[in-house]
Amino acid sequence: EIVLTQSPGTLSLSPGERVTLSCRASQSVNSNYLAWYQQKPGQTPRLLIFGASSRATGIPDRFGGSGSGTDFTLTISRLEPEDFAVYYCQQYGSSVWTFGQGTKVEI
Amino acid sequence: QITLKESGPTLVKPTQTLTLTCTFSGFSLSTSGVGVGWIRQPPGKALEWLAVIYWDDDKRYSPSLKSRLAIIKDTSRDQVVLTMTKTDPVDTATYYCVLHRGTYLKWGQGTLVTVST
Repeated sequence: EIVLTQSPGTLSLSPGERVTLSCRASQSVNSNYLAWYQQKPGQTPRLLIFGASSRATGIPDRFGGSGSGTDFTLTISRLEPEDFAVYYCQQYGSSVWTFGQGTKVEI
Repeated sequence: QITLKESGPTLVKPTQTLTLTCTFSGFSLSTSGVGVGWIRQPPGKALEWLAVIYWDDDKRYSPSLKSRLAIIKDTSRDQVVLTMTKTDPVDTATYYCVLHRGTYLKWGQGTLVTVST
């Protein structure tokens, strides 16, 4: 089973700042089957990135995904007030899918 | 347009079997490479993957829950059914089904299931 470790656990930032979230895998992720989600309290997780770097439909271009192998990054180029949320990474390239524990981005 | 919708009981008693149905449209589970999976999230906790079934009937399960889960597909009805035996209050969660096609993913809106007496 591939373990995904997200860091940091919590980030305290201000609107307008650039954010870099890390997701590290215990083994190489197959064919970049790596996704990022945003979740706000009481809401369904919102798919931001799939295939490590492809933005999902309707996702603003301030969100960007990169990385390969075992190291992946979600970058938010300029934080908007609505971006304060919990972010999860997920790998779905192995026979057992796994999620990271989440990073909370707070004001 | 691709849609997935979860359905099932909102309340089950401990030790009972939970049966959830994912009804989808806009794709076929007969198409090569396509899979439908289940993910859950207990209130205030992280996401947890449960199971996935593919077009060729390949089935994969979470190692920690494998003994309690079964996933099947009904291609003619465009449905995937997940059963979970021996439920416990810790199984209280929102349950989501998700389409997996290549690198693409699409989630349903989820259904909240409470396990309680």
